[in-house]
Amino acid sequence: ETGVTQTPRHLVMGMTNKKSLKCEQHLGHNAMYWYKQSAKKPLELMFVYSLEERVENNSVPSRFSPECPNSSHLFLHLHTLQPEDSALYLCASSQDLGRGQETQYFGPGTRLLVL
Amino acid sequence: LAKTTQPISMDSYEGQEVNITCSHNNIATNDYITWYQQFPSQGPRFIIQGYKTKVTNEVASLFIPADRKSSTLSLPRVSLSDTAVYYCLVALRGGSYIPTFGRGTSLIVHP
Repeated sequence: ETGVTQTPRHLVMGMTNKKSLKCEQHLGHNAMYWYKQSAKKPLELMFVYSLEERVENNSVPSRFSPECPNSSHLFLHLHTLQPEDSALYLCASSQDLGRGQETQYFGPGTRLLVL
Repeated sequence: LAKTTQPISMDSYEGQEVNITCSHNNIATNDYITWYQQFPSQGPRFIIQGYKTKVTNEVASLFIPADRKSSTLSLPRVSLSDTAVYYCLVALRGGSYIPTFGRGTSLIVHP
């Protein structure tokens, strides 16, 4: 148990559906992250939030839309996804952003399958 | 952005010591070196972090030479449950810590 929870743990959706992934951290951290991990590939950083402001957006398609309403919650809204978007989506948090020694705490991930 | 290079895979046997080396030739002065462990279908888990010399905790040791251009994660007496992917991170960029995971090292421990 890392103090970072993600829901749902598994999600199957069609290409025309709209769904949202939720992440919540109970650690009092100020920075939160979304990662995508496809099969046999390294983690890809998608979005970074610090104090509820987005500070990084790694050329992610607009069909992925993040939302950070407060420092404890992070959402990833999904719409009109493609089958190649099927992957493990991981949320993480760290105390702050801006120092070279931050440790990230990861959630268990959401396994997404797009049909 | 400091880039890291690790072996893609390693094999070992139960009870052996495993050393995984990571190269980070352009590490910045303020960068720390952090190692994570990831099991299949789970999020990475922090193992150890260091800046220079040697760091040891209940799980592993981290050796960092004086030039800091590489680091070595040492796992003593591995067991089957240590089979996982191990990532080395060095990621200070523009004053902000933007962590970037490489491909990591896939360690397989055999009986």
